[in-house]
Amino acid sequence: RKEVEQDPGPFNVPEGATVAFNCTYSNSASQSFFWYRQDCRKEPKLLMSVYSSGNEDGRFTAQLNRASQYISLLIRDSKLSDSATYLCVVNMGGGKLIFGQGTELSVKP
Amino acid sequence: DAGITQSPRHKVTETGTPVTLRCHQTENHRYMYWYRQDPGHGLRLIHYSYGVKDTDKGEVSDGYSVSRSKTEDFLLTLESATSSQTSVYFCAISESYYEAFFGQGTRLTVV
Repeated sequence: RKEVEQDPGPFNVPEGATVAFNCTYSNSASQSFFWYRQDCRKEPKLLMSVYSSGNEDGRFTAQLNRASQYISLLIRDSKLSDSATYLCVVNMGGGKLIFGQGTELSVKP
Repeated sequence: DAGITQSPRHKVTETGTPVTLRCHQTENHRYMYWYRQDPGHGLRLIHYSYGVKDTDKGEVSDGYSVSRSKTEDFLLTLESATSSQTSVYFCAISESYYEAFFGQGTRLTVV
């Protein structure tokens, strides 16, 4: 079993749709959690950190459920520019940074 | 943007030649990482460093070596490049439990 698992997609959605990505992690000792965005094999860039209390940044909402070892990302009102690959990342401390394989999103007009 | 640069950005080399990729940071972050990214595999960790002269292997370390003689520099060496090492290589830096920052990547082609 992979330490961090994501549905690879692709998710094909129309503009304006709401889309949700899920990610599970296997190690309960994981300390911090993030969502990254990656465009066309460019470098991944931090989208947002994920906290147990949930956090929101405009159209993006991230949630962490430590009991279920589950992380989610919700994108509301999808834009064409949201098309990218979204990576779930778990930092276990001590230099151990684990990436999910990424979920591809394609937003269509 | 975090101060992290990779060099070279693009390289074409012949099978059997040695290749060194450089990652340089100006953030004084403790941890530095080398990943490779190939279609269908996502980001795979090659090696990482947790301090000067302190390194450890990742999941795909065979055929690669690394060195970190200064906090700011992390070198990845392919001792004898093979076609299977054609890939995009990303360096990343992080501090403790915080987020990682990535360099722009090096596109390596082994012919």
